[in-house]
Order: sequence, then C-alpha cells, then structure tokens
Amino acid sequence: NAGVTQTPKFQVLKTGQSMTLQCAQDMNHEYMSWYRQDPGMGLRLIHYSVGAGITDQGEVPNGYNVSRSTTEDFPLRLLSAAPSQTSVYFCASSFGQGLRNEQFFGPGTRLTVL
Amino acid sequence: SQQGEEDPQALSIQEGENATMNCSYKTSINNLQWYRQNSGRGLVHLILIRSNEREKHSGRLRVTLDTSKKSSSLLITASRAADTASYFCAPDERSARQLTFGSGTQLTVLP
Repeated sequence: NAGVTQTPKFQVLKTGQSMTLQCAQDMNHEYMSWYRQDPGMGLRLIHYSVGAGITDQGEVPNGYNVSRSTTEDFPLRLLSAAPSQTSVYFCASSFGQGLRNEQFFGPGTRLTVL
Repeated sequence: SQQGEEDPQALSIQEGENATMNCSYKTSINNLQWYRQNSGRGLVHLILIRSNEREKHSGRLRVTLDTSKKSSSLLITASRAADTASYFCAPDERSARQLTFGSGTQLTVLP
C-alpha cells in the first residue's frame, strides 16, 4: 500500500492564481480530510469528507473548495490564492469513527503564495 | 473547538536520556492520541489511550492519562537521535466531531 499520497510536494503561486492540490489513498478509507499547518498554530481542519459525494467544512474553509467523486481521491482547490494561504497542507484519511479515529497523513504540500 | 496544549514547546536532551512531554486539555474526552512529525513529513500515529485507561506502553513509549487533571504525558525512554521530531497530542473531545491538534513539542535528541 502506498498509503496517502499528495502532489505536488512544493508549489509557488502568484496572488490570484488558482490550483488544485491532489490527494489519494489506497486503504479504502471512507473519511478523508485536509489540514493546514502554520507555525505555532498546530493543524487546522479545512474540509473533510465522510464518503464519496459527501463533503463538509472544517475550521478554516474560506478560500478552498473540495469534491469527492471517488473513495480514493480528495482534491483541494484554491480558487484565488492569497498570501495568507501560504502554508503546509496535509491530507489525511481514516476509518471507523472517521475524523475522531487514527489519522493517516500524507507527506504534505508546501505552498507559497507571492 | 478544544485543542490539546503541549508542554514544553521545545525540549533538548542527550541521546540515552528520557524525554517527557505533557499535554493538557479542557473538557471530557473519549480518548487521546499522540502523533510524531519528522521534519518535512506528515504526522504519524504513535499511540491511543482511552479515557478509562491510566497508562499504556508501546515499545519505548509510555503514555499516561489523568482525566481528573485533564492531562496526559508521553515518555520516551532511552532516546535516540532518530526520535528528534515534533510530538503532538490530539484529544478526542466527546462533543466534537473531529480531533484537534496543538502546536506540538519539538524534541531534539543530541548524539
């Protein structure tokens, strides 16, 4: 199993540009989520999904969109990038009790918005 | 939403010494999880302790939970340079729909 994979590893955007961060998992987990990690602030939940076709907002959803067309994939879209979105983004998946269960994290995408 | 708070923020020890990190939280929990993050990597689950457990071991890791004090500690015995990482606690608050993560403890183990 590859676990949770994320692409790209690094990305630099200009303010106003849009892009999609990719996330995939091969563990057949129903739950998938996106976090951002900023220095001194821990991980904050952006959006999550409890299964294909179902998504919901987390703690900091503004400026981001998600969709879940398959169990395996959960892309995160930045609609119009802003410097405040400079961060490290982690995708995670889990099973059972979902977001309250053990989380399996991807390696992260380091995003810089100029 | 609740967030675990780790203490200290940073800890530096010599190889072979024990490292202790603490976590405090505010309300009732179902369980509490500890994660490790190596530099530039994602978080990795270490151990889960349920609210009715007081102590749990996994290899060189020992976790304790005191629900009366709303605190947990992670002890790493006989530390190694490879233990250098950030450690996060994630309390599972009963009323919450998700885990929340604190800012972590940055552990440096010097060879």
